[in-house]
Amino acid sequence: GEDVEQSLFLSVREGDSSVINCTYTDSSSTYLYWYKQEPGAGLQLLTYIFSNMDMKQDQRLTVLLNKKDKHLSLRIADTQTGDSAIYFCAEIPMDTGRRALTFGSGTRLQVQP
Amino acid sequence: DVKVTQSSRYLVKRTGEKVFLECVQDMDHENMFWYRQDPGLGLRLIYFSYDVKMKEKGDIPEGYSVSREKKERFSLILESASTNQTSMYLCASSDSGVSNQPQHFGDGTRLSIL
Repeated sequence: GEDVEQSLFLSVREGDSSVINCTYTDSSSTYLYWYKQEPGAGLQLLTYIFSNMDMKQDQRLTVLLNKKDKHLSLRIADTQTGDSAIYFCAEIPMDTGRRALTFGSGTRLQVQP
Repeated sequence: DVKVTQSSRYLVKRTGEKVFLECVQDMDHENMFWYRQDPGLGLRLIYFSYDVKMKEKGDIPEGYSVSREKKERFSLILESASTNQTSMYLCASSDSGVSNQPQHFGDGTRLSIL
């Protein structure tokens, strides 16, 4: 079955790096996503990675995937106050026919000035 | 850019009322989804649709129904609203022709049932 887990809260200082972690249980080929939700808003897709990749970098964002441990992380370099939000990890396995994402519970990132 | 529009940002209804939440997307996506979001629980799938007039139950369909009469519009219906349906409701759409199928979300409807 599918299960995605995240820690609930992370606090960092402005300018530091943030690392948000996620674990998943599905063993099939899967796409893994990171979404950002600002207060009162919907979810914004930040980046995604396919499970045959180890790393993906996009400007300040770095996604690392440890497929053996089923561990996904999102690193935000030079964290800014505007990065304060809830970050959701999600997956969609490719060989189950499931079309909907399975989400983690979200990690609230608080950036202190 | 994909635009997913939910008709109301905030809605207040009474117990027992029939409630309609509307969602429209402008990118001709085949797939549309309704989730509810509750603190500490993340997003849970209520229903989804992969084509006009087609629907499938998600993880928590009880107390809800959906309608998809046109490709761009997906409605969520609370047949007889109850207080435990107070929540944030999020609509999403995706293109089934794209392998990674990222979902694009609306801004959400915060529904309160009194």
